[in-house]
Amino acid sequence: AQKITQTQPGMFVQEKEAVTLDCTYDTSDPSYGLFWYKQPSSGEMIFLIYQGSYDQQNATEGRYSLNFQKARKSANLVISASQLGDSAMYFCAMRENQAGTALIFGKGTTLSVSS
Amino acid sequence: GAGVSQSPSNKVTEKGKDVELRCDPISGHTALYWYRQSLGQGLEFLIYFQGNSAPDKSGLPSDRFSAERTGGSVSTLTIQRTQQEDSAVYLCASSLTRGVQNEQFFGPGTRLTVL
Repeated sequence: AQKITQTQPGMFVQEKEAVTLDCTYDTSDPSYGLFWYKQPSSGEMIFLIYQGSYDQQNATEGRYSLNFQKARKSANLVISASQLGDSAMYFCAMRENQAGTALIFGKGTTLSVSS
Repeated sequence: GAGVSQSPSNKVTEKGKDVELRCDPISGHTALYWYRQSLGQGLEFLIYFQGNSAPDKSGLPSDRFSAERTGGSVSTLTIQRTQQEDSAVYLCASSLTRGVQNEQFFGPGTRLTVL
């Protein structure tokens, strides 16, 4: 079974609109972290936001927020007020405490923002 | 400060040749990771170094792949007798420690093409 599932291969949104990128995960480790990374066409991986499994509140970083629903094992990324520069591939990733510290990545969602 | 650097940025080689990819982590980061990203795919974990501990090699796809980290800093990933399926972008990342919450900072990657 996949540990990280991103079901949306591609998403399209207009500037200034909000968009939600889906991510579900599978783990039996009670201690884990969830990450979102952005990969523009230039190829670099840019860290966006982190959510710990014991965090009581949803993480927020500027226009990014993480809708963490622990019981449903989902960690959706919400981007508010989309900008043209948000067009990129977005990866959800998880690190399990017991399994080591390597990140397990989903297959990614390509976001296209139009004017 | 300086981020993670990798060299070369691009490498084209012939099938059967050996290649070496280099990674310079962020100064002071004790954890170093190698990932591989095939075209249009998510990242696949290869190997992890933490300080002076034995590396976690569980992600290496075959015994043609090896890596070392000298002096707890620079790392070299070696692929022997390269095959066409080794063509991918090889990404290196480092983090301050091995904790679940520690963000991994990625280098720009080395694009390997095996002809």
